[in-house]
Amino acid sequence: QKEVEQDPGPLSVPEGAIVSLNCTYSNSAFQYFMWYRQYSRKGPELLMYTYSSGNKEDGRFTAQVDKSSKYISLFIRDSQPSDSATYLCAMNRSGGSNYKLTFGKGTLLTVNP
Amino acid sequence: DVKVTQSSRYLVKRTGEKVFLECVQDMDHENMFWYRQDPGLGLRLIYFSYDVKMKEKGDIPEGYSVSREKKERFSLILESASTNQTSMYLCASSPGLVRQYFGPGTRLTVT
Repeated sequence: QKEVEQDPGPLSVPEGAIVSLNCTYSNSAFQYFMWYRQYSRKGPELLMYTYSSGNKEDGRFTAQVDKSSKYISLFIRDSQPSDSATYLCAMNRSGGSNYKLTFGKGTLLTVNP
Repeated sequence: DVKVTQSSRYLVKRTGEKVFLECVQDMDHENMFWYRQDPGLGLRLIYFSYDVKMKEKGDIPEGYSVSREKKERFSLILESASTNQTSMYLCASSPGLVRQYFGPGTRLTVT
């Protein structure tokens, strides 16, 4: 079983839709859970992160972590064409080589006007 | 504004050539990383460095080496390029555990 699993999509939604992106993981040592966004022909950039379980909201974006299920989600409300990108989940451990992030393969999202 | 720059956006090399990919960050970050990104395989860590002259292997170090002589510069070296090293190479730097700042990437083609 891979450490981090992410459905690659592609996912295509109309403008204004609510988008749900998800990852599952197998390593219970993961403590930081991140979402990166990557526009075409650009490097990824951090969108938001959560430490341990819980929810975090930032504008139209909400990140959720359920450590009991080893499941993380990113919700995008009122999606816009500018949200069209690849979304990568990432996570790391709390000790040892904790600089090292483990990434999902990314989900390609297209928001149609 | 934070900045990670990579020496080339596109590079074409021949099999067997020695290839240098350069990455420079202007944020005084301790940690720097080299990844490759391939369709269906996602981002995979090749090497990272947590201090000058310090390095650790990532998940796929075979066929690569790195050099970090100065804090701001991290180089990836392909000793003898092969066609299976055709990929997008991304450099990143970070001050801590979470946020990594990525460069724009180098699309390397080995023919």
